[in-house]
Amino acid sequence: DAGVTQSPTHLIKTRGQQVTLRCSPKSGHDTVSWYQQALGQGPQFIFQYYEEEERQRGNFPDRFSGHQFPNYSSELNVNALLLGDSALYLCASSLHRLIGNTIYFGEGSWLTVV
Amino acid sequence: GIQVEQSPPDLILQEGANSTLRCNFSDSVNNLQWFHQNPWGQLINLFYIPSGTKQNGRLSATTVATERYSLLYISSSQTTDSGVYFCAVEANQGGKLIFGQGTELSVKP
Repeated sequence: DAGVTQSPTHLIKTRGQQVTLRCSPKSGHDTVSWYQQALGQGPQFIFQYYEEEERQRGNFPDRFSGHQFPNYSSELNVNALLLGDSALYLCASSLHRLIGNTIYFGEGSWLTVV
Repeated sequence: GIQVEQSPPDLILQEGANSTLRCNFSDSVNNLQWFHQNPWGQLINLFYIPSGTKQNGRLSATTVATERYSLLYISSSQTTDSGVYFCAVEANQGGKLIFGQGTELSVKP
């Protein structure tokens, strides 16, 4: 049973560039959420996708966008990168609105903006 | 929105010692999970525990939902227990987790 997989694991980008991060949810899960974790902080919710639509959004600018595909996998796109976007980006998967629903995380993508 | 506070922020233990980590939350929740974040960044599920008590080996957790707090107990700590422990809650039906700031645990041999 495959867990949550993310790619790439590490990447370095230059200010102003764009980045795409990818996530495949745990087998049987249909909902994907993205989180940003800055150094020394807890993860912060970016947005959630279910049925290929953005369902919830945290306090992040429009430079952060996403997509969910019919196979439930998801992408996170960040445009016009800033130094402050350097962080660990975590993908979480779950089954939509199942009571007692444990949320599982991938290993994350470490983004460094220089 | 809901606030999540964890204490202590840092904890240093000798191998074999016991510890208690606390998580306070400001409103009723549908979901509460404890995670251990390893040095490579992965969040590893420890417990799904919106209420009650659960045990898994040397770890156990208790959530008292009416008083809005949860405790994570680590007994006979090992160096591999080192890392950051996060409490996270879900306040609505949408699956958005709100994390505390974490407790950084260091277990010395």
